[in-house]
Amino acid sequence: DIQMTQSPSSLSASVGDRVTITCRTSQRISNYLNWYQQKPGKAPKLLIYAASSLQSGVPSRFSGSGSGTDFTLTISSLQPEDFATYYCQQSYSSLGTFGQGTKLEIK
Amino acid sequence: QVQLQESGPGLVKPSETLSLTCTVSGGSISRRYWSWTRQPPGKGLEWIGYIYYSGSTNYSPSLKSRVTISVDTSKNQFSLKLSSVTAADTAVYYCARVTVTTYYYYSMDVWGQGTTVTVSS
Repeated sequence: DIQMTQSPSSLSASVGDRVTITCRTSQRISNYLNWYQQKPGKAPKLLIYAASSLQSGVPSRFSGSGSGTDFTLTISSLQPEDFATYYCQQSYSSLGTFGQGTKLEIK
Repeated sequence: QVQLQESGPGLVKPSETLSLTCTVSGGSISRRYWSWTRQPPGKGLEWIGYIYYSGSTNYSPSLKSRVTISVDTSKNQFSLKLSSVTAADTAVYYCARVTVTTYYYYSMDVWGQGTTVTVSS
């Protein structure tokens, strides 16, 4: 199984900040990685697929990068609606394991 | 606009089989992949498996021995069965549409709202 490790597990930031979340995989997965956002009581929402492709309708302040085993999700300027939990998911073996999540909180 | 809705019992007894259905509206279930994911209370997401409209499946290795996902194209529905449940299977269960792009990039781009299933006697 491919193991996923996200860091940090939680993060406090302010509106307007630039934020980076990291996801590391236990084996090389090329760029087969997705990022999701989840707000309390809601279903996850796809933000990024193929490591860096922005899902339709997602604001351009979200970006993804990385290949191999190390990936990042960056929010260029935090907005109030961005405070949520973020998950990476490997899609190397079609679909699979999620990271444990990063909770982004207001400072 | 495609919408998904989960349905099924909210309470299941230990050792019994959990059964959920996802109804797809606003689009056809054909020529698509469909998946199930769950989230225990206060914890992260766990992918369960997916099915192609033709019936081929792929399951998480950790749940494979207990999971069956099936599809009914005539009703535009797909279903999840999880056998021999325990309290550890208590979770919110989500169905989702899977989109596969060029070079086989899989992602879940449309989700149901989720349904809570509690395993308890």
